[in-house]
This record gives sequence, C-alpha cells and structure tokens, in this order.
Amino acid sequence: KNQVEQSPQSLIILEGKNCTLQCNYTVSPFSNLRWYKQDTGRGPVSLTIMTFSENTKSNGRYTATLDADTKQSSLHITASQLSDSASYICVVSAFVGQFYFGTGTSLTVIP
Amino acid sequence: DAEITQSPRHKITETGRQVTLACHQTWNHNNMFWYRQDLGHGLRLIHYSYGVQDTNKGEVSDGYSVSRSNTEDLPLTLESAASSQTSVYFCASSELEDLISTDTQYFGPGTRLTVL
Repeated sequence: KNQVEQSPQSLIILEGKNCTLQCNYTVSPFSNLRWYKQDTGRGPVSLTIMTFSENTKSNGRYTATLDADTKQSSLHITASQLSDSASYICVVSAFVGQFYFGTGTSLTVIP
Repeated sequence: DAEITQSPRHKITETGRQVTLACHQTWNHNNMFWYRQDLGHGLRLIHYSYGVQDTNKGEVSDGYSVSRSNTEDLPLTLESAASSQTSVYFCASSELEDLISTDTQYFGPGTRLTVL
C-alpha cells in the first residue's frame, strides 16, 4: 500500500535552534517528493521538490534531503524563527494524478 | 499578480442539500485539483482535471462531482451533503502534467464546510 508517514507528529523548539523533520514513504513507482509549509488557516505553499536523481535541495533556511534507496526524506530547518511555526507536509507523487500526502508535522517555535 | 481563489471561505449547510464550492485561478494553468483536509488524514485528492472538459476521480470522489468548462474554473459540487463531508476543502492548480515533472502546485486559501 502506498503510504507516506511523517515524524514527529508535533515538535516544539526554541527560536534560533535547528530541527529536522522526517518523511518515510512506500510509494512506488516514485516520481518526485515535495515538502510544503502550511500556516494555520491557509493553503500549503511549496518549499522544495526533488526527483529521483536529486538528494539535496535548499530553499533559504530549509534544506530537504532524499534517499531514494531507503525511501526516506528529511527537512532541516536552520536557525528557526517564530514565523516557521506551521505544519510541514511531505507529498510523494507516483503516476499522473497520484499524490500521496503525509499527515504533517506541526512545528511550534517559541521565543 | 496571478492567484487562485476559493469561495465561499466558510459555509454551513444542512444534510441533503446541494452545495457548490468555487475555485478560480488566473495562472492559466491546465491542471486543477480538489482536496479535502481532515484531522489525522492529511490532504486527500477528490477530483482533478488536466484541461477543459477533462475530469478524473481521485481517492475520495464518492459524493462529489466537478466540471471544467473553461481553463480558469473548477467548481466542486456536493450532490447531497452529508455530515461526513464536513471538512476543509482546498483547490490547487499546476501547469504541467505531473508524470515526471517537478511542476509546483499552487493552493487556494481553503473553504471550511460544515454540514449539520
């Protein structure tokens, strides 16, 4: 069964600290993996997109990694800010129209 | 600036009523998608369209229908609303067919639907 699992479910960190969010998937065949940031009450916004051949992609303080062999991805946030408080969603695409969403990690950054 | 909008943002209806949620994008994207988001389930695909007159069922399409008469709009209709359809609904659009592309999906702000 095609699934995307994210961990931890929720995370609280101090402002300025780094953190890493995990995404494990069993989706096959694999097309690409995306990380989205979703602020409360808003739609998701794309952070990174990686294909099979890419193992690292950065977007400012966000760095995503992909290990297609172990079917794992991580999203590393450097020097966290209060505005990073949001839900982070991992999405794996298979064929046309097939998107598999994780349930997200809720990140809270406190001063 | 190009954008994707949804209306209404909040809707309360009664069981059995027909409800239509609007989605309008000015990106001129070929692809449009409807998702629902529920606590503990993440986002789930309801229907999608790869162009005018094209519609396809997603993972949770029962009780929902869409039509695509132009590029800009993909309205979502609940034929006979049920309490199980209480959810937050998101519309999204993208340009390229997502077979091997890394095309970005742009999401609307969402519609919170409550079925009493």
